[in-house]
Amino acid sequence: EDQVTQSPEALRLQEGESSSLNCSYTVSGLRGLFWYRQDPGKGPEFLFTLYSAGEEKEKERLKATLTKKESFLHITAPKPEDSATYLCAVQAGGNNNDMRFGAGTRLTVKP
Amino acid sequence: DGGITQSPKYLFRKEGQNVTLSCEQNLNHDAMYWYRQDPGQGLRLIYYSQIVNDFQKGDIAEGYSVSREKKESFPLTVTSAQKNPTAFYLCASSIDTSLYGYTFGSGTRLTVV
Repeated sequence: EDQVTQSPEALRLQEGESSSLNCSYTVSGLRGLFWYRQDPGKGPEFLFTLYSAGEEKEKERLKATLTKKESFLHITAPKPEDSATYLCAVQAGGNNNDMRFGAGTRLTVKP
Repeated sequence: DGGITQSPKYLFRKEGQNVTLSCEQNLNHDAMYWYRQDPGQGLRLIYYSQIVNDFQKGDIAEGYSVSREKKESFPLTVTSAQKNPTAFYLCASSIDTSLYGYTFGSGTRLTVV
């Protein structure tokens, strides 16, 4: 069965303190790995799609990377406005409409 | 601006009641989805639809029903058969079977009273 595990569950950083969030996955035939940002009481907002091992995508202070077993979301010099829950999801090759989500990492950045 | 509109934002259901959550999109997306989000768990798929008048069950369809009479609309009914309906419900859409990511609505928080 396809599985997505995110760690840590929660992460508290000081402003400017860089760190990484992890997303480990087990799927049969990865078609794409997705990162979303979710603010409290709102729907997730799409950030990145990664398709193959070795691929990297960047957006402002965020960089996502992908290996055959996991993805990392690197946050460089975070600001308080980066505080949110970050969700990882995978789409497997066998089912076009089955995007499996992890439980998320809740990031808090203190000024 | 294009997007997905979910209503209401908050909904209270009494025991034994059916309630319907609205989801409307003006993105001209073919595929639409309903997810349920509970604390500490990943989003779980309830139903999805790739085209008008067609929809498929997801992992947790029991106690829910949907319709897709128009491309823009994908309402979800939470029936009295759903024994634990208190959750945050998210509607999403995508261009097709999509490696472009989903566009989500702002959610409906349903509480049983």
